[in-house]
This record gives sequence, C-alpha cells and structure tokens, in this order.
Amino acid sequence: GAGVSQTPSNKVTEKGKYVELRCDPISGHTALYWYRQSLGQGPEFLIYFQGTGAADDSGLPNDRFFAVRPEGSVSTLKIQRTERGDSAVYLCASSLIPGGEGTQYFGPGTRLTVL
Amino acid sequence: GESVGLHLPTLSVQEGDNSIINCAYSNSASDYFIWYKQESGKGPQFIIDIRSNMDKRQGQRVTVLLNKTVKHLSLQIAATQPGDSAVYFCAENIGGSNYKLTFGKGTLLTVNP
Repeated sequence: GAGVSQTPSNKVTEKGKYVELRCDPISGHTALYWYRQSLGQGPEFLIYFQGTGAADDSGLPNDRFFAVRPEGSVSTLKIQRTERGDSAVYLCASSLIPGGEGTQYFGPGTRLTVL
Repeated sequence: GESVGLHLPTLSVQEGDNSIINCAYSNSASDYFIWYKQESGKGPQFIIDIRSNMDKRQGQRVTVLLNKTVKHLSLQIAATQPGDSAVYFCAENIGGSNYKLTFGKGTLLTVNP
C-alpha cells in the first residue's frame, strides 16, 4: 500500500522567505509526527499530532516554526523568515495508533536548503 | 539527561558475514526501542522493535538484543547482503507519553561483495 508521502522532495529558498512543507500520512493513521534531520545526525523530534490537534510541540525550535493538521490527515509544516540554520531534511512519520504500540513509518523527507 | 548513542560509527563487512551494530542508552525509564535503516536520500525504514520486558526478538535475518542491566541494545543481521548497506539508527521511546522517539547518530554499514 501507499506509504507516507512528502512534498516537495527538495526546496531551495532564500534567507527570510516563508516555506510550507506537506505531509500525507498513511491512510487511517491517526498519529502524525514531524522530525528534522541534520547532515550526519539522527532525526530530532519537532511536533506530534493526535488527530487534528498538536499534542506536543515541544520540539519546535522557535516561534518561526508552526504546523497544522486541520482535517486530521494531511499536515503542513510552516517556517517563517527562514534562516540558513533551518537547512535540513524534514521528515514526517505516521502511526496507526499513538504511543508505544504504534510503529512510526517515515516518509522520504523534504530537503530544505536556505541560501 | 536522555541520550542514545552508538559505539561504532562505521562498520564494514563482507557479503555473507553476520553484522552486529551496537547502541547504548542512558535512560533507564526507556521502555521501547526500535531499529531503523536509512538508505541515502530516503526516510528511515522500520526494521524491528523490542520492549523492555523482553531481552531478545527475532525477525527475518535480524535479531535485536536488549540488555537492561548495562543499557545496551544490539542489532544482528545474518548473512549480510549488499542491499543491507545503509545507516542504521537505534531509537528509544521514553516515558509515559510513549510517542517521542529519540535517535542516536547512526552507524554506517558497508557490505563488500
């Protein structure tokens, strides 16, 4: 079946611009997660959605980052006033159920480059 | 604090050999551990998981061992194949919320034909 999909696969932007990254989770998965992966590092947690609400956004680095999931399916990660330090691969994952019983399946990621 | 780390950043093996990738964790409250495989340009792919009430779990050609006494996790890959070449991450799930994964830095496995 279809896995987690993310668009765009690559995004190049200029410092100070606004970007949106999209995630389509596996159909029926109630939990959705965003992670950020810097070169040579493991993914770092950003935010977790259970349904439409952000259950935990403690990993968002600052208030330039925001994410929504208005209908409990597709999610958009929004970054305002991008900085060069935001350059990374942004990964989305989903799980059928939240918590330790729900295996997180990852998408291919969006590679964001801020010039 | 919480941390998940790997003993070996790189591992090179011959095709057909068995591979062992190690991982240390520091939080004794961690109760769920997962191994992911990540190929270049792709997202992490689930391999196998294990809960803290177990010390061994087997999958197809893979085995995960958990030693809670020394807070150590290992992934064993039998008859390693070139397609197994990738970066392997261990991740831990900490505490009651049970959803936030904390990843280590990863081990690069290279399989030589």
